[in-house]
Amino acid sequence: DIVMTQSPLSLPVTPGEAASISCNSSQNLLHTNGETHLDWLLQRPGKSPQLLIYLGSKRASGVPDRFSGTGARTDFTLKISRVEAEDVGVYYCMQVLHAPYTFGQGTRLEIE
Amino acid sequence: VQLVESGGGVVQPGRSLRLSCSGSGFIFTNYAMHWVRQAPGKGLEWVASLWYDGSNIEYADSVKDRFTISRDNSKNTLFLQMKRLRGDDTALYFCAKGLGAVAASLDSWGQGTPVTVSS
Repeated sequence: DIVMTQSPLSLPVTPGEAASISCNSSQNLLHTNGETHLDWLLQRPGKSPQLLIYLGSKRASGVPDRFSGTGARTDFTLKISRVEAEDVGVYYCMQVLHAPYTFGQGTRLEIE
Repeated sequence: VQLVESGGGVVQPGRSLRLSCSGSGFIFTNYAMHWVRQAPGKGLEWVASLWYDGSNIEYADSVKDRFTISRDNSKNTLFLQMKRLRGDDTALYFCAKGLGAVAASLDSWGQGTPVTVSS
């Protein structure tokens, strides 16, 4: 199984500041079709998860452009250019290359 | 898009339970569907998935041979039949829609249905 490792696990951020979350996969997530099969999701407190970024860098519908996904092969980053209060929650990376599909442990973003 | 799970509850170890997920607001038959669970206070765990036509069924090792995923496209409904339930199956079970017919990117989620396995 592909193991996903996130860091940090806790991320205190001041509103308006930038934030960055890293995700490492135990295998190359580049598909033969040229796409990188890595997604980012946010689970706000008490809510269901929502898709933020899919296939490495594509923003899901309705996601603000202050969210961006970068990276290749085994190392990926989610960046939030200017954190807002509504960004609080747990962020997960997820590999969608091979079943069983696997999530990182989650990074809890909190507002300082 | 709306996904509504049902069928959760409290069940004794070793017993069975069947979850359902009703989809609306999209053409259900065109999309892959998944089940994902979250144990209390824990992270997300992918459980099972199948393609738009019910083919290419996959399971997490932790549920293989005990859980069965299926769909009825005529009724826009996804199912998860769970047998020989164990304490570590206790979780909130989400159904989620794939981004495409075979996709594993999960672009819409239900609110979840809770399953508690306890004697």
